[in-house]
Amino acid sequence: DAGITQSPRHKVTETGTPVTLRCHQTENHRYMYWYRQDPGHGLRLIHYSYGVKDTDKGEVSDGYSVSRSKTEDFLLTLESATSSQTSVYFCAITGDRAVYGYTFGSGTRLTVV
Amino acid sequence: SQQGEEDPQALSIQEGENATMNCSYKTSINNLQWYRQNSGRGLVHLILIRSNEREKHSGRLRVTLDTSKKSSSLLITASRAADTASYFCATSDNNAGNMLTFGGGTRLMVKP
Repeated sequence: DAGITQSPRHKVTETGTPVTLRCHQTENHRYMYWYRQDPGHGLRLIHYSYGVKDTDKGEVSDGYSVSRSKTEDFLLTLESATSSQTSVYFCAITGDRAVYGYTFGSGTRLTVV
Repeated sequence: SQQGEEDPQALSIQEGENATMNCSYKTSINNLQWYRQNSGRGLVHLILIRSNEREKHSGRLRVTLDTSKKSSSLLITASRAADTASYFCATSDNNAGNMLTFGGGTRLMVKP
């Protein structure tokens, strides 16, 4: 979607390797989120950020870490990838008042083999 | 855990018919939002309804909210094949992080 990009779009990695996914926004929005989407579970929040260097855990944060050193970038790291982390990962952004809802990226399909 | 639960999980209709999807949630909310997701794509925001609103319209979309029953419905009128997608409700409970909790979604297929 315009204003938010995720990279890479697809990745296959081996169990035990570290993986970093990137979310980049050009909207200068304060809030950024990482969700994972799995069949039967909908979207579940992993981590979110409410400002530079301000992050907090979501519902399914185990095995994941995040960093936000600049307003525009929010990185999601899988320290040691496991097969249970095979999923589609979405980044989303919203402004202070969130009255216009979230804007989502196009997603990263991650396969851990 | 999912805050919202959509019903039905899947819906198949003919072009021109109306489609109604329902969402139930468990806790008090600040607002409820509906999103559309086309296959292989990210979610797109459709409409937001605040807890003090009962009905909202946007083009062919009509959303209702009943806070006493903790439920919402999304009506798409005069459906088109292009409306084929998954639809998700999401709730915000006025938390500090503006976090949304999503339901499992309804898969809508509109047959030409």
